[in-house]
Amino acid sequence: DVKVTQSSRYLVKRTGEKVFLECVQDMDHENMFWYRQDPGLGLRLIYFSYDVKMKEKGDIPEGYSVSREKKERFSLILESASTNQTSMYLCASLTVRTGRGTEAFFGQGTRLTVV
Amino acid sequence: QQQVKQSPQSLIVQKGGISIINCAYENTAFDYFPWYQQFPGKGPALLIAIRPDVSEKKEGRFTISFNKSAKQFSLHIMDSQPGDSATYFCAASRWTGNQFYFGTGTSLTVIP
Repeated sequence: DVKVTQSSRYLVKRTGEKVFLECVQDMDHENMFWYRQDPGLGLRLIYFSYDVKMKEKGDIPEGYSVSREKKERFSLILESASTNQTSMYLCASLTVRTGRGTEAFFGQGTRLTVV
Repeated sequence: QQQVKQSPQSLIVQKGGISIINCAYENTAFDYFPWYQQFPGKGPALLIAIRPDVSEKKEGRFTISFNKSAKQFSLHIMDSQPGDSATYFCAASRWTGNQFYFGTGTSLTVIP
């Protein structure tokens, strides 16, 4: 089974702190994504990466950056955390399966609270 | 701009009833339409998916109905059970695409 592991289930950080959210996948997928999930807004794409050292902005990249130094690891960085970044953060990796199309595999999520 | 529109935002159904969630898309290049199911405290997981060459796909109590001309698709959960209580996301992509466009999600509660 594909496994996508996020380093923390719950985080509490102070306003202005630099925050790192880590994500590791074990299936050699090239495509990895960071979403935030908020009630009524669904899954909003922050950043994605198609390969090592490659990154592309999603729909809401402001206040975030990412790092992908190794294929299996995709990190989301909040440069200076703010209270409006309190949210559930979901990492996903994506693969195209022969005859089965594209499938996304999600981590369990990190609930970040910024106080 | 929301590529995939989903409704309703929340849904309450009695046990044994039918749950229906609707989605609509604009981009005719999309040719793959999965549904993801998310239980509390978990990430979303693939539930069922359809391609536009068929109008319906059924897996157990879950059915996707697809209307290509209207650019709409829906998830039907027959004989809904309390264990089906979750958030459901529709999505659209290319069959071999490298990005999904998700709907805003529907929170389903099935009352015993």
